[in-house]
Amino acid sequence: GNSVTQMEGPVTLSEEAFLTINCTYTATGYPSLFWYVQYPGEGLQLLLKATKADDKGSNKGFEATYRKETTSFHLEKGSVQVSDSAVYFCALSGKTSYDKVIFGPGTSLSVIP
Amino acid sequence: NAGVTQTPKFQVLKTGQSMTLQCAQDMNHEYMSWYRQDPGMGLRLIHYSVGAGITDQGEVPNGYNVSRSTTEDFPLRLLLAAPSQTSVYFCASSYSRDGGYGYTFGSGTRLTVV
Repeated sequence: GNSVTQMEGPVTLSEEAFLTINCTYTATGYPSLFWYVQYPGEGLQLLLKATKADDKGSNKGFEATYRKETTSFHLEKGSVQVSDSAVYFCALSGKTSYDKVIFGPGTSLSVIP
Repeated sequence: NAGVTQTPKFQVLKTGQSMTLQCAQDMNHEYMSWYRQDPGMGLRLIHYSVGAGITDQGEVPNGYNVSRSTTEDFPLRLLLAAPSQTSVYFCASSYSRDGGYGYTFGSGTRLTVV
């Protein structure tokens, strides 16, 4: 079945450092891929998405590229801020109305001044 | 503001008690779902609904009931609360199950069963 694997956290970075959170997936066909972010005490929010190979999703300085050949969707940001401290979830879904979203386990990021 | 509203935000129950977690959305989303989030376990799907009058089980449905009488509301009922149900519960909605436009999550209900 479909599954998502994320790098284990927690990840601790200094402000203005470069961020990469790895995500790989297993799926049949061509799933849609997502990154969600959960700030402390809140629900998850959609951060960005990509629906086909080589698409790049971007939002709030974060980017992720849909790599079919490596089945990956790594999240990157060039310069993190303290306000980026949160838990990040990679997710996928098939493209039929019967497919549900599969979430990865989440990666906790702490950014220190 | 449009979105998913969950109530209550916090709740403490005694073992054996029952309660209903409320979830309402005003975006006319057909798909609604309930997740629980536990440390080290990620998000686990409890129940979901693809429209009014239609519900189905997710990964961890035991001990929970749901109903969907309207498009807007999707309450989650705990029948006989147990300490194992201590968790943070999230309701999510979307235009469709595949979440092509993204899921919208509520802010969560933090439940403690003692």
